[in-house]
Amino acid sequence: AQKVTQAQTEISVVEKEDVTLDCVYETRDTTYYLFWYKQPPSGELVFLIRRNSFDEQNEISGRYSWNFQKSTSSFNFTITASQVVDSAVYFCALSEESSGSARQLTFGSGTQLTVLP
Amino acid sequence: DTGVSQDPRHKITKRGQNVTFRCDPISEHNRLYWYRQTLGQGPEFLTYFQNEAQLEKSRLLSDRFSAERPKGSFSTLEIQRTEQGDSAMYLCASSLQRLGGSGNTIYFGEGSWLTVV
Repeated sequence: AQKVTQAQTEISVVEKEDVTLDCVYETRDTTYYLFWYKQPPSGELVFLIRRNSFDEQNEISGRYSWNFQKSTSSFNFTITASQVVDSAVYFCALSEESSGSARQLTFGSGTQLTVLP
Repeated sequence: DTGVSQDPRHKITKRGQNVTFRCDPISEHNRLYWYRQTLGQGPEFLTYFQNEAQLEKSRLLSDRFSAERPKGSFSTLEIQRTEQGDSAMYLCASSLQRLGGSGNTIYFGEGSWLTVV
């Protein structure tokens, strides 16, 4: 069975600090996909990134970067020089290929990030 | 705006009443999903459609829940005889599944908040 664990329930940082959100996953599949979503107070889940299990290259997009390590089953997300607008709940999610092409996402319980001015 | 839209955004109903939510997916997307999210938790999968066919239902989807996508475009989620435990946010999402493709990205709407009193 697939499982996603986000051990950090809440994190508070001061603006301009770097912050890393942890995500650990469990799966028996060799082919799977990992996602990060941002959920601001409005409620919409905003897609940030998708990574497949065969691509362990780290990715950087502006102030966002992701570190995928299969050896530790982790897919951590770092925000550099955080801003108040980054305040939101961040979800890590997993989809197994055997479940059929990402038709079903398993989410972690989320990390509430608060960036203080 | 061509994102996933949901209506109504908020609904307060008395226990025992029926409620219906509507979802309009991104126009070219052939897959449509319903998820449920309770406070402090990540979204949980309920069901999904490939065009008009409902291909999978979670055990969370009790007999009181019914979802339809009659013409393969918009979808409705009806909850009959609502219970207080149904209070949650109901998220709709959509994706484009290409023939032979895998790992499609799922885009979410802003959700419909249900409060059963």
